[in-house]
Amino acid sequence: QVQLQESGPGLVKPSQTLSLTCTVSGGSISSGGYYWSWIRQHPGKGLEWIGYIYYSGSTYYNPSLKSRVTISVDTSKNQFSLKLSSVTAADTAVYYCARGYPPDYWGQGTLVTVSS
Amino acid sequence: DIQMTQSPSSLSASVGDRVTITCQASQDISNYLNWYQQKPGKAPKLLIYDASNLETGVPSRFSGSGSGTDFTFTISSLQPEDIATYYCQQYDNLGGVLTFGGGTKVEIK
Repeated sequence: QVQLQESGPGLVKPSQTLSLTCTVSGGSISSGGYYWSWIRQHPGKGLEWIGYIYYSGSTYYNPSLKSRVTISVDTSKNQFSLKLSSVTAADTAVYYCARGYPPDYWGQGTLVTVSS
Repeated sequence: DIQMTQSPSSLSASVGDRVTITCQASQDISNYLNWYQQKPGKAPKLLIYDASNLETGVPSRFSGSGSGTDFTFTISSLQPEDIATYYCQQYDNLGGVLTFGGGTKVEIK
């Protein structure tokens, strides 16, 4: 069964870039057939889809975040990553990585706080 | 963008009750609608995909129906372990923006 695990700093300063990595086990990103997604959830709020990437590197981003988001993939490490630039307190959230569009398997999530 | 209106935002029901949640899309989304369960501190779990298909391993008391703009999620007999927040989610068969409903928090009366 595929498993996903997010990793990265839990605290980011305003105006800096948030960087997270998702490590996939139990399945290969490069085998194709799936998109790999990032979703976030503001504290006590609902879910917001950030974007996805295919193993080939093709991406699609939520237009509301597109100017600040980059999702990349490293098939040699079976990982995909999220970068969100120019963060503010409004970017404080639990960030999830997930398999699929729409997502079926999700990571456990990681809280990222934006604060000085 | 397609907006998803989910109702109610919360409900309280007794064990054994039938629970129904609705989700309305701002435009026709065919059957591109999923339902997720999220327990506190946990990631969402896919329960129903493509409006009415039960994900493998999900108890049969959960069901979904609808197409076009109006969708329904039902728990036929509420169990204590069903306490969670439930989200509908629409997606685009061409791979566009994916949108979640606002969620329904289900509690035991």
